[in-house]
Amino acid sequence: DAGVIQSPRHEVTEMGQEVTLRCKPISGHDYLFWYRQTMMRGLELLIYFNNNVPIDDSGMPEDRFSAKMPNASFSTLKIQPSEPRDSAVYFCASSLDRLAGGLWGIGELFFGEGSRLTVL
Amino acid sequence: GENVEQHPSTLSVQEGDSAVIKCTYSDSASNYFPWYKQELGKRPQLIIDIRSNVGEKKDQRIAVTLNKTAKHFSLHITETQPEDSAVYFCVSGGLYGNKLVFGAGTILRVKS
Repeated sequence: DAGVIQSPRHEVTEMGQEVTLRCKPISGHDYLFWYRQTMMRGLELLIYFNNNVPIDDSGMPEDRFSAKMPNASFSTLKIQPSEPRDSAVYFCASSLDRLAGGLWGIGELFFGEGSRLTVL
Repeated sequence: GENVEQHPSTLSVQEGDSAVIKCTYSDSASNYFPWYKQELGKRPQLIIDIRSNVGEKKDQRIAVTLNKTAKHFSLHITETQPEDSAVYFCVSGGLYGNKLVFGAGTILRVKS
């Protein structure tokens, strides 16, 4: 498997424009996560899905952000309208539900290479 | 919700010395504690993890310890090398369906 694939790798846009980030998780993985990384706030979980269903979106900053997972092999994170403070690296990660030591749990997170977003 | 505190925020050591990074968590239901390493400009990658039914785990030069009573867990790197220079994140996770919460990260610099 090629791993988690994200696109675009870099995006430069102007304030007010719509931005769409894309993610293809590892085939067979049950969980998909969207994280945002900045120097100030570190790695923040925005939203995660289990079997294509959004489980927790409490990290989504505001209504300008939305995420979808129409099928097991594709997810999008959309920002509309974008603002300069949205500039960050956005990581997608996927994980496999696994049984370990008698407990179910989210296993290793496999991150994509990230999408670096710059909003001017 | 869960809160993970990580210390120190930066750590400089001489090559060959040991490095220790400590984390505390707040949710007593947490039972999964992975550590991720992120090199400059790269993605985070898992280096070691431990579950609550184990107190210590070792993998070559890296070891993790867990004290569930005190809600502490630590990463120990022995015989540090320049390639260990990176940002290290501790993470706390719960039972099935619970999200993983990352610490703020520790920048480790190994000076040769």
